[in-house]
Amino acid sequence: NAGVTQTPKFQVLKTGQSMTLQCAQDMNHNSMYWYRQDPGMGLRLIYYSASEGTTDKGEVPNGYNVSRLNKREFSLRLESAAPSQTSVYFCATRTGLRGNTIYFGEGSWLTVV
Amino acid sequence: AQSVTQPDIHITVSEGASLELRCNYSYGATPYLFWYVQSPGQGLQLLLKYFSGDTLVQGIKGFEAEFKRSQSSFNLRKPSVHWSDAAEYFCAVAPVGGSQGNLIFGKGTKLSVKP
Repeated sequence: NAGVTQTPKFQVLKTGQSMTLQCAQDMNHNSMYWYRQDPGMGLRLIYYSASEGTTDKGEVPNGYNVSRLNKREFSLRLESAAPSQTSVYFCATRTGLRGNTIYFGEGSWLTVV
Repeated sequence: AQSVTQPDIHITVSEGASLELRCNYSYGATPYLFWYVQSPGQGLQLLLKYFSGDTLVQGIKGFEAEFKRSQSSFNLRKPSVHWSDAAEYFCAVAPVGGSQGNLIFGKGTKLSVKP
């Protein structure tokens, strides 16, 4: 998915450290999302942004903050990382067209020790 | 509550055999329906989607899915599996007219392919 770029791809953090996952899209989509994926859990929505300047909580927002910097960029911040936040994080964007098709980045693997 | 169920956690099929992955949903009305595939270490790729109309939809890589309203199901099929189809498959639903377009995912079915 060349249209959605996530950085970094891999990161190891110590408990209590902070970090920001970056996401940028060149698909000119209004909506952007952050999901986390855990074994046997599927994907769960953390936060989303329906448009530039707006953000809303998803299913599992605790421990995270987000910023929709502009139409292209949507960052996810862990202020004080916990081992429970060890996961694979996916950024995604949605077309404005019928059907709510969502396109995913390639993921960021985060380990908190 | 809205939910998506993929009853099979792991399926193994022989190369060349047919495949059917099951998906059932619980929703207030007929939602939009999707199948995504995830190869190891990769993001999710859209295989196909159903909005309305013909209940048999064709997707990429030779996959198809059939929507059955009476069974609240959207099963994914492929007539002949290739080794490269080994991956994890996710069924997802989205509310029709949902303002945020949030997808609800099943927990996935991992497909292994025997030579």
